[in-house]
Amino acid sequence: QQQVKQSPQSLIVQKGGISIINCAYENTAFDYFPWYQQFPGKGPALLIAIRPDVSEKKEGRFTISFNKSAKQFSLHIMDSQPGDSATYFCAASVNQGGKLIFGQGTELSVKP
Amino acid sequence: GAVVSQHPSWVICKSGTSVKIECRSLDFQATTMFWYRQFPKQSLMLMATSNEGSKATYEQGVEKDKFLINHASLTLSTLTVTSAHPEDSSFYICSASVQGRHEQFFGPGTRLTVL
Repeated sequence: QQQVKQSPQSLIVQKGGISIINCAYENTAFDYFPWYQQFPGKGPALLIAIRPDVSEKKEGRFTISFNKSAKQFSLHIMDSQPGDSATYFCAASVNQGGKLIFGQGTELSVKP
Repeated sequence: GAVVSQHPSWVICKSGTSVKIECRSLDFQATTMFWYRQFPKQSLMLMATSNEGSKATYEQGVEKDKFLINHASLTLSTLTVTSAHPEDSSFYICSASVQGRHEQFFGPGTRLTVL
């Protein structure tokens, strides 16, 4: 099964709060899990990525939590800011240079 | 580093005409380039994968004769939408990756409107 299921579809968070977006997958051959941030009318930008041999990766206010046994991974945005308002996509791939399987996307709105 | 550009950023054309979109990796050599289309409020849909010097691999349901992809060099791939129709209006995005690496770097996208 090649799908990556992402939730929620939309999320509203107050400034300073924590935004949490979840993804689940079936294919245990996936070995690379990136998160992309996309602003309206722009291409996606790589935010942070994780390999399945680690359970957590943190870069600034962004953290990926990875649960290999549950086949789930999530993005946590700490101290959310209005500038974080964008659409976030999780993805997964099998091989280096291989195609990415994208989740459905989450539209995040951070209210001031 | 890892900058991908697209040209044009937007294009309006008449139904029946062909449109070419360029994708360039500016500061690295891209062994593989990908082409996506995205409709409003939807996820990215992979159209095809191309490797330098070889024919593109198209995803199921994508018409290869309508969406012509050429990957002539390690820094340039082109997508030509032939005989465009209004239903081809969409946001087209390319990405590029380097051999031996997982990361894909995306271009800024091209908004195509077919009248």
